[in-house]
Amino acid sequence: NAGVMQNPRHLVRRRGQEARLRCSPMKGHSHVYWYRQLPEEGLKFMVYLQKENIIDESGMPKERFSAEFPKEGPSILRIQQVVRGDSAAYFCASSPGAESNQPQHFGDGTRLSIL
Amino acid sequence: QKEVEQNSGPLSVPEGAIASLNCTYSDRGSQSFFWYRQYSGKSPELIMFIYSNGDKEDGRFTAQLNKASQYVSLLIRDSQPSDSATYLCAVNIGGNTPLVFGKGTRLSVIA
Repeated sequence: NAGVMQNPRHLVRRRGQEARLRCSPMKGHSHVYWYRQLPEEGLKFMVYLQKENIIDESGMPKERFSAEFPKEGPSILRIQQVVRGDSAAYFCASSPGAESNQPQHFGDGTRLSIL
Repeated sequence: QKEVEQNSGPLSVPEGAIASLNCTYSDRGSQSFFWYRQYSGKSPELIMFIYSNGDKEDGRFTAQLNKASQYVSLLIRDSQPSDSATYLCAVNIGGNTPLVFGKGTRLSVIA
């Protein structure tokens, strides 16, 4: 499968636990974007990364949330000390470059539920 | 604040009709425009993108862009029940900037 791969598809955590969401971009893509979608809401940008660099994290809460895209391996979105309000679908998208005409392709998402 | 506005719908059209989905954006410097389709509980799927003023056709889909009016639309000809989904408009102002999404328009094609 050459598409954007996200795992897990579903993740259940209790309040106060940590959530780790993983994303492997499409083959040949070096740019990764994370979005959050609440029920009946649009996609909200969180963070944009290239290999080993955070390019734009303006949409990510300053506390409890972090993201990385190491030289080897998938991009990770990490949420510490989760709260009920973190329950959402988290989508990862990738593109081959940063040019504005490069479409982003989405993974199937991780549905995070906080008990 | 960069904004992308869409009518939330639902937009109901009979099978075989033309569905017209509209989107306006606030940033006059926006360069690229994308339409995604999202079925309930699924991920967004890219269906069209357009960069230049005018029309772009791909099968039953036509994207229309008017930069002077800051308006982009998606026409779906010969609408099918399988087209029933939420359609998301997304805008990129260029360079290393993220896409800005509208909240989407829910389309319902009635058989």
